[in-house]
Amino acid sequence: AQSVTQLGSHVSVSEGALVLLRCNYSSSVPPYLFWYVQYPNQGLQLLLKYTSAATLVKGINGFEAEFKKSETSFHLTKPSAHMSDAAEYFCAVSPSGGKLIFGQGTELSVKP
Amino acid sequence: DTGVSQNPRHKITKRGQNVTFRCDPISEHNRLYWYRQTLGQGPEFLTYFQNEAQLEKSRLLSDRFSAERPKGSFSTLEIQRTEQGDSAMYLCASSDQGAGYGYTFGSGTRLTVV
Repeated sequence: AQSVTQLGSHVSVSEGALVLLRCNYSSSVPPYLFWYVQYPNQGLQLLLKYTSAATLVKGINGFEAEFKKSETSFHLTKPSAHMSDAAEYFCAVSPSGGKLIFGQGTELSVKP
Repeated sequence: DTGVSQNPRHKITKRGQNVTFRCDPISEHNRLYWYRQTLGQGPEFLTYFQNEAQLEKSRLLSDRFSAERPKGSFSTLEIQRTEQGDSAMYLCASSDQGAGYGYTFGSGTRLTVV
């Protein structure tokens, strides 16, 4: 069965520091991979997606993620954290282009 | 294009009552998905439609849950005989030609069963 594991339910960084949120997936077929962000009491907003084109994917708000097939990983990074980045982040996989399977989420806190 | 619209935003109901939620997807999207999210968890897949056809339904979805998309446009999710464990955020999303093009989510309907 396909699944997504996000390492670390909570990550705290200082403003201006590197953000690294980890995601590993299991899929029997080449997957579509996504990162979503969720602010309190809101729906999910797409940050970026991997659909078998370039392995380094750039998204909105300065985020990017790299697909590494050998490591079955799709980690999310941002060079310099901003206070407005504080939110819940979800990694998701779609094995066959249908439903999304989400990880448990990582809450990002940004300290001034 | 006003995005994915969900109504109501909040619903408080007594245990045992029936509730119905509505989702209006982006007009040109042929796929519509329902998810449930509880506090501190990622969204869990419930069901999805391509046009008016319900293509997949999660085993998590009990017989008390039913979803429809009668004309391939808006969708409704009904929960009969609500239980306290049904309290959650219910999210709707739509997509065009499958997930490879990304999903657009609505703001959700928060259900509280008292």
